[in-house]
Amino acid sequence: SAVISQKPSRDICQRGTSLTIQCQVDSQVTMMFWYRQQPGQSLTLIATANQGSEATYESGFVIDKFPISRPNLTFSTLTVSNMSPEDSSIYLCSVTDRDTEAFFGQGTRLTVV
Amino acid sequence: AQTVTQSQPEMSVQEAETVTLSCTYDTSESDYYLFWYKQPPSRQMILVIRQEAYKQQNATENRFSVNFQKAAKSFSLKISDSQLGDAAMYFCAYRAPYGGATNKLIFGTGTLLAVQP
Repeated sequence: SAVISQKPSRDICQRGTSLTIQCQVDSQVTMMFWYRQQPGQSLTLIATANQGSEATYESGFVIDKFPISRPNLTFSTLTVSNMSPEDSSIYLCSVTDRDTEAFFGQGTRLTVV
Repeated sequence: AQTVTQSQPEMSVQEAETVTLSCTYDTSESDYYLFWYKQPPSRQMILVIRQEAYKQQNATENRFSVNFQKAAKSFSLKISDSQLGDAAMYFCAYRAPYGGATNKLIFGTGTLLAVQP
């Protein structure tokens, strides 16, 4: 199994600002993902973080709004840019490796005021 | 595109009783994985059980078992001897096999399970 440390666990931010969320894994993993969970909703994939190259974004999510970095096989960041109240959500980092199940960080609860 | 449907937004069960959560999915793939995840108020996603589509035998993990009906594309979760700690949001999820177009999880909308003492 993989142990994931996600920081910060929560934050309250002013609209128009940006927040960077970090995801650190205790072992090298092939695939890392970022999900958004809006209040009372299910998880929606934002993007797949690719090591050494640009992330692969899902429909409805763009790099200018959610820039992602993945400099190595154990670390990734997600930035939520130019935030508005509609960005208030839980953001989760997830990892998987070949045929194993996905493991999740504890999530970042973001509130934009 | 693959989809996952959970038709029960909320369920309730008495402590020590059995409850079944429903999940259906749609895919054109023959090989894939199915999962049930639990999300308590702490918001940590916890894997409950997994099922490989190529396996005919239903997966079991202690008090948790699944009824996997591949032809019907149904994947229900049975919780036996329910405990107060089982109260949580339960998500059904689908994933294509590694090496496919993507290894991402596709989630259902979730079922909120309450356990009554």
